[in-house]
Amino acid sequence: DAGVTQSPTHLIKTRGQQVTLRCSPISGHKSVSWYQQVLGQGPQFIFQYYEKEERGRGNFPDRFSARQFPNYSSELNVNALLLGDSALYLCASSLLGATYNEQFFGPGTRLTVL
Amino acid sequence: QQPVQSPQAVILREGEDAVINCSSSKALYSVHWYRQKHGEAPVFLMILLKGGEQKGHDKISASFNEKKQQSSLYLTASQLSYSGTYFCGTERDNQGGKLIFGQGTELSVKP
Repeated sequence: DAGVTQSPTHLIKTRGQQVTLRCSPISGHKSVSWYQQVLGQGPQFIFQYYEKEERGRGNFPDRFSARQFPNYSSELNVNALLLGDSALYLCASSLLGATYNEQFFGPGTRLTVL
Repeated sequence: QQPVQSPQAVILREGEDAVINCSSSKALYSVHWYRQKHGEAPVFLMILLKGGEQKGHDKISASFNEKKQQSSLYLTASQLSYSGTYFCGTERDNQGGKLIFGQGTELSVKP
């Protein structure tokens, strides 16, 4: 079975630009969560979407937005990029509604802001 | 509130054992454990629920002390492949999809 996929793998942008990251969950998973991982730290929760509705938002500015499509894939958008947005952006999918809501992560998108 | 992991780093020889701890100041519903190798995605190892249920890999064991809000991951007879950074992620309710991660424990297994 295919795991969580993300695109692109790497991305280089300059300050002030906008970026869109994409995620496809494991087949059958309806929940997608986005995390930001800065080098040397644990992943930090950004958003969760379930059945196309936002179910949770972490402590990130409004420059960060996301959406989920009818096929449960998701996009994360970041506007007005800052140097501090440089990080590995991880997407995780989960089944939800089961006893164990384990999350499975994709390979991530490495964003570098110059 | 971010859980606290200890130790921050540990170096083992192949075959040795290690314990990694994860503590929270808040009541938890679940604790999730992941291993991440450099440049790769976190890989799911184990999930522990309050009440004692757990699910994970056969070769990994863990515990969750609800009174102390502390979870421990036990790595026995370590192998070179166990090297990586271990993260615990916590949830305070059963809604799922939102994990708060600790700062990580870097494990290095030497031949």
